[in-house]
Amino acid sequence: SAVISQKPSRDICQRGTSLTIQCQVDSQVTMMFWYRQQPGQSLTLIATANQGSEATYESGFVIDKFPISRPNLTFSTLTVSNMSPEDSSIYLCSVVSGTGELFFGEGSRLTVL
Amino acid sequence: QQPVQSPQAVILREGEDAVINCSSSKALYSVHWYRQKHGEAPVFLMILLKGGEQKGHDKISASFNEKKQQSSLYLTASQLSYSGTYFCGCPIQGAGSYQLTFGKGTKLSVIP
Repeated sequence: SAVISQKPSRDICQRGTSLTIQCQVDSQVTMMFWYRQQPGQSLTLIATANQGSEATYESGFVIDKFPISRPNLTFSTLTVSNMSPEDSSIYLCSVVSGTGELFFGEGSRLTVL
Repeated sequence: QQPVQSPQAVILREGEDAVINCSSSKALYSVHWYRQKHGEAPVFLMILLKGGEQKGHDKISASFNEKKQQSSLYLTASQLSYSGTYFCGCPIQGAGSYQLTFGKGTKLSVIP
């Protein structure tokens, strides 16, 4: 299993500003994933972050809006840039085990005013 | 392509059974099932692989019909702790095996 810590757990931000979310894992992992979950909705994969390479973004998500860093095998950050109310969501960090099981952090609840 | 789940919501009394279905318009090679309780992170239930056997965990089991591109999650003798939203996920086409697209979820409420 993996224990994932995310910071902040929640935040309220003003339109046009940026927020960086941190994800810390208690073990070394190759892949880390960032998901978005809008209120009452499903989980949508934003990007995959591999250590030592550029993040891979899914359709509909771009690096300028969601820059990601992955400086080592236990840590990643996701920045939500130039925020608008439509960015209000829960952002979840996730890692995968050797058996394919995804472990999720508790999420960072972002409200943009 | 996001998988389609049905029903969207179901209410059960303790001890009753339920089936949640997940289907895809694309070929499925694996199906993943998760449960998320309100305000909590999703929790892994099981993975079904193409050519694999039906899986089970306690009184929750699942099947995978590759030809029909469908999976079903079976909850028997439901308990209050089964309440939550159940998501099925399958690999995003063109991405790796662990990059998942999830269905919209099935909200299960178990009442005494």
